[in-house]
Amino acid sequence: GQNIDQPTEMTATEGAIVQINCTYQTSGFNGLFWYQQHAGEAPTFLSYNVLDGLEEKGRFSSFLSRSKGYSYLLLKELQMKDSASYLCAAMDSNYQLIWGAGTKLIIKP
Amino acid sequence: TAGITQAPTSQILAAGRSMTLRCTQDMRHNAMYWYRQDLGLGLRLIHYSNTAGTTGKGEVPDGYSVSRANTDDFPLTLASAVPSQTSVYFCASSARSPGELFFGEGSRLTVL
Repeated sequence: GQNIDQPTEMTATEGAIVQINCTYQTSGFNGLFWYQQHAGEAPTFLSYNVLDGLEEKGRFSSFLSRSKGYSYLLLKELQMKDSASYLCAAMDSNYQLIWGAGTKLIIKP
Repeated sequence: TAGITQAPTSQILAAGRSMTLRCTQDMRHNAMYWYRQDLGLGLRLIHYSNTAGTTGKGEVPDGYSVSRANTDDFPLTLASAVPSQTSVYFCASSARSPGELFFGEGSRLTVL
């Protein structure tokens, strides 16, 4: 079956760095997405990786290892506004997205 | 730019009643999607449309129907609502696949 695993909740300190891991099993693979979702709001796109390696975008970076079925989202210089859920989604061979349940990130002062 | 507009924002519905959730986008995206989001679960695809005039079933299509008469509108209909359809429903669109999804603000539906 197809499956996405990510931690349910993480806590970090303002100004610190946090890494949110995601492992996936899909029938075929057409890329890995990360979305941010603040409570009560819609998900918004953060990143897309289809090749192995690290993609950096400001304070956020996303890494992919296709051979390991593994990705992580790295958030640097954490700010209170980064408190949100982070959704990992893998695209299968039919271009359908398989979504994880999300990781709730709590930022403490 | 409005992006994707969903209506209603929230609704309480008696079991057995019908309901249509509206979704309109102004980005001229070909692909549109309906997802439901439940606590502890990932987003689950209900129905999708790759282009106007075509629709397809997602992971959890039972009890729902959609239509795509034009590029901009993609309504989701519950013919006879049941309590298990209590959820937050998100409409989304994308210009291409694979590609970034743009989500509406969601419709919170409670079926009693």
